[in-house]
Amino acid sequence: NAGVTQTPKFQVLKTGQSMTLQCAQDMNHNSMYWYRQDPGMGLRLIYYSASEGTTDKGEVPNGYNVSRLNKREFSLRLESAAPSQTSVYFCASSPGAPGTIYFGEGSWLTVV
Amino acid sequence: TQLLEQSPQFLSIQEGENLTVYCNSSSVFSSLQWYRQEPGEGPVLLVTVVTGGEVKKLKRLTFQFGDARKDSSLHITAAQPGDTGLYLCAGRSNDYKLSFGAGTTVTVRA
Repeated sequence: NAGVTQTPKFQVLKTGQSMTLQCAQDMNHNSMYWYRQDPGMGLRLIYYSASEGTTDKGEVPNGYNVSRLNKREFSLRLESAAPSQTSVYFCASSPGAPGTIYFGEGSWLTVV
Repeated sequence: TQLLEQSPQFLSIQEGENLTVYCNSSSVFSSLQWYRQEPGEGPVLLVTVVTGGEVKKLKRLTFQFGDARKDSSLHITAAQPGDTGLYLCAGRSNDYKLSFGAGTTVTVRA
């Protein structure tokens, strides 16, 4: 019962370092998403991929890039991490739009 | 500025009491969803409401969508410790973008 799997679960980065958050879903969903969750802010959409081969910006895309590697995988890259990117990151997927969204368990990222 | 305002931010009640969480916006949404999130996990969808004035029940949880599709409420009857969690509302304005509220943290004491 994997659903949406994110790696790593926890990561500490120094300012300026780069890293990629990996996400894979095994539900054959067309659409995938990356959100960040901060205290008092709710979940904010960073990027989404409506279908394989397409990506679009969400509410807070600055400082991030994404790659829809194939139908299963959607990665989020921080090219030069900043303390403001300290957050909990959630990958999610849905069969299409506006279908039910299924979330992964989250990745805790701290930038020092 | 949050597109969706949830209130209260925190709610602590005794087992068996009732509670209501509110979700308000000045925007109209095509649908509104409620999620529950437990510590260390991602949000899990509880319900989707689509029609203005719609009421949906899920066991002891009652969800209502405002007539103008700008607001919603979640009412829990006879709360249990298992209802503890972060409740998030999310409004859909187009097919791919959900706008989330900041959430209401509900604690039910045994």
